[in-house]
Amino acid sequence: GAGVSQSPRYKVAKRGQDVALRCDPISGHVSLFWYQQALGQGPEFLTYFQNEAQLDKSGLPSDRFFAERPEGSVSTLKIQRTQQEDSAVYLCASSFARTVGSGNTIYFGEGSWLTVV
Amino acid sequence: SQKIEQNSEALNIQEGKTATLTCNYTNYSPAYLQWYRQDPGRGPVFLLLIRENEKEKRKERLKVTFDTTLKQSLFHITASQPADSATYLCALVLLEGSQGNLIFGKGTKLSVKP
Repeated sequence: GAGVSQSPRYKVAKRGQDVALRCDPISGHVSLFWYQQALGQGPEFLTYFQNEAQLDKSGLPSDRFFAERPEGSVSTLKIQRTQQEDSAVYLCASSFARTVGSGNTIYFGEGSWLTVV
Repeated sequence: SQKIEQNSEALNIQEGKTATLTCNYTNYSPAYLQWYRQDPGRGPVFLLLIRENEKEKRKERLKVTFDTTLKQSLFHITASQPADSATYLCALVLLEGSQGNLIFGKGTKLSVKP
């Protein structure tokens, strides 16, 4: 597709339920990022992949959060035993460049809106 | 502590005027600074990037300045239009540590009235 695609767009989960959020980056993009955006806040970094390698997962808030990109394209963010504080928009982004520091444009998806009830 | 602050949560201006948004940071040494536009229910869209050795960058009606001494970036939209109404986010790009980390501000919601 032309842009970064995320699914589902909206997800309502009961507390304690596991969820999986999918990201299809732009074809050929090496770098893939996940961000979490709470209402009224800026996006906060969760994790970063370069191809299939997860180079930075320092932003993942707990061991209930897990991300993978096994073939270097599609990525999945999994949240186990969801809590109410997990309610947020989860944004995926991709870039052709290997590092953010190269200055290449980062393209964001529309986000997956998670509400935990 | 490390902080990145955008001057106000909301900015209301009249169509045709220049909108000026501020981004201040403390205890960071960014290599780049980026500005994004975010519309309700959408992901951020990249607008402009400015490097630490650049004082000013322009793109059509947009202008960004970057003062590493003041630790501040200003984002200007000239001849503003109602279609410019959106939330504008600044983001720092750090070269040390993580290779993939953008540090975002909370954003400023701009409303341009006709």
